[in-house]
Amino acid sequence: AQSVTQPDIHITVSEGASLELRCNYSYGATPYLFWYVQSPGQGLQLLLKYFSGDTLVQGIKGFEAEFKRSQSSFNLRKPSVHWSDAAEYFCAVGLSGGYNKLIFGAGTRLAVHP
Amino acid sequence: NAGVMQNPRHLVRRRGQEARLRCSPMKGHSHVYWYRQLPEEGLKFMVYLQKENIIDESGMPKERFSAEFPKEGPSILRIQQVVRGDSAAYFCASSPWDLTEAFFGQGTRLTVV
Repeated sequence: AQSVTQPDIHITVSEGASLELRCNYSYGATPYLFWYVQSPGQGLQLLLKYFSGDTLVQGIKGFEAEFKRSQSSFNLRKPSVHWSDAAEYFCAVGLSGGYNKLIFGAGTRLAVHP
Repeated sequence: NAGVMQNPRHLVRRRGQEARLRCSPMKGHSHVYWYRQLPEEGLKFMVYLQKENIIDESGMPKERFSAEFPKEGPSILRIQQVVRGDSAAYFCASSPWDLTEAFFGQGTRLTVV
């Protein structure tokens, strides 16, 4: 069965430090991969997505993610975190079939210390 | 271009009442998805609809839950005879004809007391 694992439930980093959020997926075919961010009480905003092509994907707000097929991973990175990045981050797999049926991970809650 | 609009943002219902959640997709979008987020969990797919058609309802509970997306007006997620376990955030998303991206609304937070 398809699944998405985000091993880290909570992560705390200092402002200005680098960040890496892990995501592993289980899916038989080539996946469509997404990272979303959710601020408290808000909806989800798309940070970036991977469909095909270059395995290093650039997103909004200075985020990037790298698709590694051999490791079934799609980790999210940012070189320097800002206090406003504190939020919950969700990795998702989009199933093939022509529509946005997404399987979400449980999320990683990011706290940023000044 | 307004985003995906969901209302109400917060809804309180007593056990046994009905809850109706509304979703207006982005202008020009004809595909709507409903997801449920239980506390401390990720989002779970419930149903995918196009205008007047349910395409995939594999994530919908078999009883008490129904969804529609009429030719005119918003998509409606209806929960009959709510129970405490229905308390969650319900998110709607819409996508354009090419299905390249789903845009999410801000959600409706349902509390059953």
